[in-house]
Amino acid sequence: GEDVEQSLFLSVREGDSSVINCTYTDSSSTYLYWYKQEPGAGLQLLTYIFSNMDMKQDQRLTVLLNKKDKHLSLRIADTQTGDSAIYFCAESPASGSARQLTFGSGTQLTVLP
Amino acid sequence: SQTIHQWPATLVQPVGSPLSLECTVEGTSNPNLYWYRQAAGRGLQLLFYSVGIGQISSEVPQNLSASRPQDRQFILSSKKLLLSDSGFYLCAWAGTSGGRETQYFGPGTRLLVL
Repeated sequence: GEDVEQSLFLSVREGDSSVINCTYTDSSSTYLYWYKQEPGAGLQLLTYIFSNMDMKQDQRLTVLLNKKDKHLSLRIADTQTGDSAIYFCAESPASGSARQLTFGSGTQLTVLP
Repeated sequence: SQTIHQWPATLVQPVGSPLSLECTVEGTSNPNLYWYRQAAGRGLQLLFYSVGIGQISSEVPQNLSASRPQDRQFILSSKKLLLSDSGFYLCAWAGTSGGRETQYFGPGTRLLVL
């Protein structure tokens, strides 16, 4: 089945850029998502990208996709303390009546003052 | 706009007691609905999903069950809770836009079984 992997922890200084990495295994057309989870809360959708795209930018967020290596990254520019959270990468197939998400284990981002 | 609610927010239950967690969605019709469990290790495990009223698919065999009595209501139940049922339960609904289906999550229910 599909598998999504992420590193568990990342620490950055406030104002620096953060880069959170993810690898996936599904070779068919797929959507890839980034979710943010703050302590004790549900998951908030940040952004998504379709597997035929290379890059997507949304304000401070930039998603880069390397289809050959099945590698996805989320770059957060000018990281702030409010960005401290767990970030989940997820993928789903592009077709089907109930498109199930496969999540990575999440990356805990800590922003240091 | 669409909103998703989960109730209760926190629950402490003894082993062997029953469970009923509720999830309701507003502002959309005929959504796909999902129940996930997030254990202490942070990964999300899909438990059940539903594409319509009365239609439930189970991903993982366990002592939990799900029901969808109304279009925008999804209920997670157990007749007898186990210690291993402790965790953070997340409900999600999915909408389709431009051929892309995206899941949106509720605030979650934290369950502690003692």
